[in-house]
Amino acid sequence: EPEVTQTPSHQVTQMGQEVILRCVPISNHLYFYWYRQILGQKVEFLVSFYNNEISEKSEIFDDQFSVERPDGSNFTLKIRSTKLEDSAMYFCASSDGENTEAFFGQGTRLTVV
Amino acid sequence: AQKVTQAQTEISVVEKEDVTLDCVYETRDTTYYLFWYKQPPSGELVFLIRRNSFDEQNEISGRYSWNFQKSTSSFNFTITASQVVDSAVYFCALSVRSYNQGGKLIFGQGTELSVKP
Repeated sequence: EPEVTQTPSHQVTQMGQEVILRCVPISNHLYFYWYRQILGQKVEFLVSFYNNEISEKSEIFDDQFSVERPDGSNFTLKIRSTKLEDSAMYFCASSDGENTEAFFGQGTRLTVV
Repeated sequence: AQKVTQAQTEISVVEKEDVTLDCVYETRDTTYYLFWYKQPPSGELVFLIRRNSFDEQNEISGRYSWNFQKSTSSFNFTITASQVVDSAVYFCALSVRSYNQGGKLIFGQGTELSVKP
């Protein structure tokens, strides 16, 4: 069964460093997303990506964040200068159409120290 | 603005009990979609169901059933004869009709279900 894969599963980084979280969405999907879940809290939308550009972003997704689809399979989230409050589980997701179910990866736990 | 409320933070039941997880949503859009996701202790988010606002039929899938009532803006989830493997955090989510945006999910706070043997 096709699935969304994310790497790494856990990343520890020092405050101020840049991190890149990687995702391989399901191959025939058209919409890609990043969500964040701070420990013990709800899942929050960060950004959606369609047709090689950002289609929607939340207030959380400020200038420190960027997304890229560098080739036909990968989808990345970059945080330019990490802060302690960026520590969270980051989920990548993909869907095959408008408002269809999104399938999530297993997440990358980011710890900023 | 859209909002999802899951008033039950934690529920604890004994195996074989039935349990209902409540979800109340708010939106002014007439076309919207409702979802349930399961987050087991391993952390991933597992899709369970999607309903659109025009389909109020209840759905049953094995031990799982969903009750969608537009009149009360609720989309409740019932597990019949619960099992230990049902222990997880369950999230209700809402998305509204979008155009070339995919449809971001707005999640509730989640309900942590603990099923004891």
